[in-house]
Amino acid sequence: EIVLTQSPGTLSLSPGERATLSCRASQSVTSSYLAWYQQKPGQAPRLLIFSASSRATGIPDRFSGSGSGTDFALTISRLEPEDFAVYYCQQYASSLTFGGGTKVQIK
Amino acid sequence: QVQLVQSGTEVKKPGASVTVSCKASGNTFTRYYMHWVRQAPGQGLEWMGMINPSGGSTNYAQKFQGRVTMTRDTSASTVYMELSSLRSDDTAVYYCARGPTAYWYFDLWGRGTLVTVSS
Repeated sequence: EIVLTQSPGTLSLSPGERATLSCRASQSVTSSYLAWYQQKPGQAPRLLIFSASSRATGIPDRFSGSGSGTDFALTISRLEPEDFAVYYCQQYASSLTFGGGTKVQIK
Repeated sequence: QVQLVQSGTEVKKPGASVTVSCKASGNTFTRYYMHWVRQAPGQGLEWMGMINPSGGSTNYAQKFQGRVTMTRDTSASTVYMELSSLRSDDTAVYYCARGPTAYWYFDLWGRGTLVTVSS
């Protein structure tokens, strides 16, 4: 099973700042089969990024994904008030597993 | 607009079974795989398995094999997830989620169904 480790656990930033979230895999995620989701309290997750760097339909271009192999990142170029949430990475190269999440909170 | 509409909150006793349904609106029911993901209170996301609504084939996470059954009713555009031998640590929000057939990520989610297991 591929284990995904997300860091940091919590990120405290101000609106307008840049956020960089990390997702590290215990073994290589072939073909960059990695997705990112955003989840707000009381809501279902929402797909942001698939195939490591492809934005889902309707996702603003301030969200970008990068990486390959075992190291991936989600970057939010300028945080908007609605971006404060929990973010999960998920690999689908070998079965399917999620990372533990990163909470982006207002500083 | 395509939506996934899930059944309502359930309260069950330990040892019982629960069935959660997920109805897809629109006419794309057999074009996507349907997955089930759960989230315990304050915890992360956990994949349980998937069903191909077209042929009915399933793939369950090893953790749940023997305890979970996923079925579908194509005439009702609905998938079902039954979890048996419930324990208190099965208390969670259960989500259905749609994904493309070739790649197992999720582009559409239901709103979730809270299942509480308590004596």
